[in-house]
Amino acid sequence: AQSVTQPDIHITVSEGASLELRCNYSYGATPYLFWYVQSPGQGLQLLLKYFSGDTLVQGIKGFEAEFKRSQSSFNLRKPSVHWSDAAEYFCAVGWNTGNQFYFGTGTSLTVIP
Amino acid sequence: GAVVSQHPSWVICKSGTSVKIECRSLDFQATTMFWYRQFPKQSLMLMATSNEGSKATYEQGVEKDKFLINHASLTLSTLTVTSAHPEDSSFYICSAWPMQPQETQYFGPGTRLLVL
Repeated sequence: AQSVTQPDIHITVSEGASLELRCNYSYGATPYLFWYVQSPGQGLQLLLKYFSGDTLVQGIKGFEAEFKRSQSSFNLRKPSVHWSDAAEYFCAVGWNTGNQFYFGTGTSLTVIP
Repeated sequence: GAVVSQHPSWVICKSGTSVKIECRSLDFQATTMFWYRQFPKQSLMLMATSNEGSKATYEQGVEKDKFLINHASLTLSTLTVTSAHPEDSSFYICSAWPMQPQETQYFGPGTRLLVL
């Protein structure tokens, strides 16, 4: 069965520090990969996505993610975190256009001054 | 970019009443829409897949008579929580795949339901 794992339930970083959020998926084929951010009480905002091509993708708000097929991973990174980045981050995978997404359990990010 | 709206954004109701939530794709047509449910501090769980003109497909454990889904047009899907109870209180999010092939689906802003 397909699954998406975000091993870190909660991460705390200092403002200005670098950030890496982990995401692993389990499936035979290469999926479509996404990272979303959700602020409290809000909907989902797409940060970036990967379908094919360059395995390092750039997104909004200074985020990037790298697809590593050998590790079945799609980790999200940001070189310098801002206080406004505090939110819940979800990794999601899909396997065909028009089909459902599978979401990871989310990683809650706290940014301290 | 493609926009999906949900109405209402907040709803508070008494136990036993029914609540309808609308999901609209504002600038594109969608043959497939999804309904998700999210409990506090948890991930999104797919409830059902809604296809225009046909019956929705429900995930295991989701009561189809409890959560009625209607996908009447290519831009509108509705979720009706019938005889709502406090345990139905949750954040409901819809999403839509554009008809013209695109690489992602678009999510609505969510509807928070509180059943008293």
